[in-house]
Amino acid sequence: ETGVTQSPTHLIKTRGQQVTLRCSSQSGHNTVSWYQQALGQGPQFIFQYYREEENGRGNFPPRFSGLQFPNYSSELNVNALELDDSALYLCASSLAAGAPIDETQYFGPGTRLLVL
Amino acid sequence: GNSVTQMEGPVTLSEEAFLTINCTYTATGYPSLFWYVQYPGEGLQLLLKATKADDKGSNKGFEATYRKETTSFHLEKGSVQVSDSAVYFCALIITSGGSYIPTFGRGTSLIVHP
Repeated sequence: ETGVTQSPTHLIKTRGQQVTLRCSSQSGHNTVSWYQQALGQGPQFIFQYYREEENGRGNFPPRFSGLQFPNYSSELNVNALELDDSALYLCASSLAAGAPIDETQYFGPGTRLLVL
Repeated sequence: GNSVTQMEGPVTLSEEAFLTINCTYTATGYPSLFWYVQYPGEGLQLLLKATKADDKGSNKGFEATYRKETTSFHLEKGSVQVSDSAVYFCALIITSGGSYIPTFGRGTSLIVHP
């Protein structure tokens, strides 16, 4: 158990719709990262939030956006869903920024999104 | 850009065999290196890490040494068990100017037979 929770566990949407995924970080962690993991692939970094601001972004279009809240919970929003967005979405919390820095990430179980 | 290359799987071994999973990387700067494990039906868990050259990370009988000269971080275990069957991911993190860029490999599936 990492203390990181995600909701929902599974979700089915249709192309063009919008989706919001939620993550609750491990207690005391100030940083959250989101990843997309396609079947049989490694996690691809979407973005990271620290103190409610985006602190790094991977190669994903602007229709992928996020929010981090003062209690360090966070959301991943995806607009205009495409079939290729079907994947497992992982969030991970860490103390990556600030002091002391520990880049170890603690992953949640993921939300499996299917876009039809 | 940064990248992580892992050996293709699946790796299939008998119980008590020696395990090596190769991982090499390219990075701009000085990364920290990680191995994560994903057991069937579960999320990723940190297995071990090393934050500077020549550091050795170890956990649950697994070891990996940060080799800057060969840009490698190979995972080894002297005697695998059936319960080690999982997918193993090598990863690096570069912290640059307050920004934090993680890169994962594609994963290597390990199957251990009794």
